[in-house]
Amino acid sequence: DAGVTQSPTHLIKTRGQQVTLRCSPKSGHDTVSWYQQALGQGPQFIFQYYEEEERQRGNFPDRFSGHQFPNYSSELNVNALLLGDSALYLCASSLNNYGYTFGSGTRLTVV
Amino acid sequence: AQSVTQLDSHVSVSEGTPVLLRCNYSSSYSPSLFWYVQHPNKGLQLLLKYTSAATLVKGINGFEAEFKKSETSFHLTKPSAHMSDAAEYFCVVSDLDRWAGNMLTFGGGTRLMVKP
Repeated sequence: DAGVTQSPTHLIKTRGQQVTLRCSPKSGHDTVSWYQQALGQGPQFIFQYYEEEERQRGNFPDRFSGHQFPNYSSELNVNALLLGDSALYLCASSLNNYGYTFGSGTRLTVV
Repeated sequence: AQSVTQLDSHVSVSEGTPVLLRCNYSSSYSPSLFWYVQHPNKGLQLLLKYTSAATLVKGINGFEAEFKKSETSFHLTKPSAHMSDAAEYFCVVSDLDRWAGNMLTFGGGTRLMVKP
């Protein structure tokens, strides 16, 4: 049984560019949450998607946006990249907030 | 609003000795509490969770944690450390009663080092 799959695993972008990260949830899960983990810190909640809508959002600017597709997979988009956006981006899926499973993350480096 | 404070950023123990990782939380509702472990370059793995049942929670790999409402604490313990326990540990809180999202709030992490 596949867990949460994130792609790509690593990514290098230049300041000002845009990036799209992808997440396939664990089979049977309908809710996807995204977290940003800066080096040496705990993950911070970006937003959560349920039934293809953003249900809750953390304290992140609107440069961060997302989408959930009918098959429950999700994308995280970040526009106008800043050096401070360099981090590990984690996707977590759940069945309506019960039993979170995390992916291994996408390491984004902005240069 | 919910928050988590992990009282030690680094803990060093010798193999075979007890482990104590301390966590205090703040929550406006009846919280769910979790401990996650993160090995280098890996994702987060759930060790254990408290969701208003028994206050002493047993998890994987011999870890356990006790929910103390009066102290707003949820400390993680293990009787005997193993070299493979060396990792980053996160205490996490989630408000149970809020329908809209139930986001997870992470502490800053505690790096556990195990000496041979």
